[in-house]
Amino acid sequence: NAGVMQNPRHLVRRRGQEARLRCSPMKGHSHVYWYRQLPEEGLKFMVYLQKENIIDESGMPKERFSAEFPKEGPSILRIQQVVRGDSAAYFCASSPGQELFEQYFGPGTRLTVT
Amino acid sequence: DQQVKQNSPSLSVQEGRISILNCDYTNSMFDYFLWYKKYPAEGPTFLISISSIKDKNEDGRFTVFLNKSAKHLSLHIVPSQPGDSAVYFCAASAVNRDDKIIFGKGTRLHILP
Repeated sequence: NAGVMQNPRHLVRRRGQEARLRCSPMKGHSHVYWYRQLPEEGLKFMVYLQKENIIDESGMPKERFSAEFPKEGPSILRIQQVVRGDSAAYFCASSPGQELFEQYFGPGTRLTVT
Repeated sequence: DQQVKQNSPSLSVQEGRISILNCDYTNSMFDYFLWYKKYPAEGPTFLISISSIKDKNEDGRFTVFLNKSAKHLSLHIVPSQPGDSAVYFCAASAVNRDDKIIFGKGTRLHILP
């Protein structure tokens, strides 16, 4: 049973470009969470999704950021018109249900904005 | 406003001795606490948790203690092993509120040979 997969592992974008980060949850998991880790900081919750539904997006910046988890395929975190401050590690976690300790994290995508 | 604080950015401990990682929180609504371990270039992995109705939870070499009146928890690792060298994140949640996990900034643990 493969773990949570994220790709790409590293992504370099110029200011103003779009970044698309993908997360494939573990088999059988229908809950996906996205977190962002800025340098020297802890992980910060961004958004919680179930298949085709955004359950909680209270941690998402109001502009330029969006997330989806379609019926088929991976969850996508999309950042439009990236700025230097978006440089961070973005982690995805999945769980079979809502038990907090059952969140399994992917290896993360490190986004660098030049 | 940091609701979960890990005031020690790093800690070095001799192999075989006890490692104690500390964590303080400010939100009295938190009722579930977790510790995660993270190696470089990997995502965090769940280590151990404790509910606010308990003051201690033990799992092998790992024990978490919770002092609700002081809003303080600690993770004890004994005996410490080389593979324990990692970043440890303390995290908390108000399960009956919004279920979000709030992470501390982490403590980097070095186990010395």
